Amino acid sequence: GAGVSQTPSNKVTEKGKYVELRCDPISGHTALYWYRQSLGQGPEFLIYFQGTGAADDSGLPNDRFFAVRPEGSVSTLKIQRTERGDSAVYLCASSLDGNYGYTFGSGTRLTVV
Amino acid sequence: GDSVTQMEGPVTLSEEAFLTINCTYTATGYPSLFWYVQYPGEGLQLLLKATKADDKGSNKGFEATYRKETTSFHLEKGSVQVSDSAVYFCALSGSSNTGKLIFGQGTTLQVKP
Repeated sequence: GAGVSQTPSNKVTEKGKYVELRCDPISGHTALYWYRQSLGQGPEFLIYFQGTGAADDSGLPNDRFFAVRPEGSVSTLKIQRTERGDSAVYLCASSLDGNYGYTFGSGTRLTVV
Repeated sequence: GDSVTQMEGPVTLSEEAFLTINCTYTATGYPSLFWYVQYPGEGLQLLLKATKADDKGSNKGFEATYRKETTSFHLEKGSVQVSDSAVYFCALSGSSNTGKLIFGQGTTLQVKP
């Protein structure tokens, strides 16, 4: 597609459940980023993929968070045993080669109740 | 660590007023600096950037100058329009050189007709 697509756009889940958030980057973009944006805050970096590998996962808050990009295109962010503090908008971005000319998706709003 | 501080919002202006949104940063090395904009219901978009000291980024009538001596990157526009109403984020490139961005908390701009 023309832009970065994220699904679902909204997700409500119960505390303790497992969720998966999907990102379809722009075709041909090798770099993919996940960010988390809490209410009233700027996006916070979670993880960066170059191709299939996670080149920088220093922003993942704990081992409940995991992300994959098995074929170097679509990525899935996985959150286990969700907590209310995980509620936020999860943003995905891609770029052609890891430069700063990102294109962001519209995000997935996750609400943990 | 690296960080970005923006002026608190919301900023409310009348159409055709002059806009300044302050942004200061703390960083090791020589980061690139960015302004992103988030219009209601849309994803983050790159507005402008500057990659070295004294560079001026500009786009859509907005300007910002990379000031190393004051560690600032203030956003300005001479005459705002209602359509400029959005949330503006200042950001810098992280020191890891992986394309990771560090964002400020965002400043909401409301322009009234």
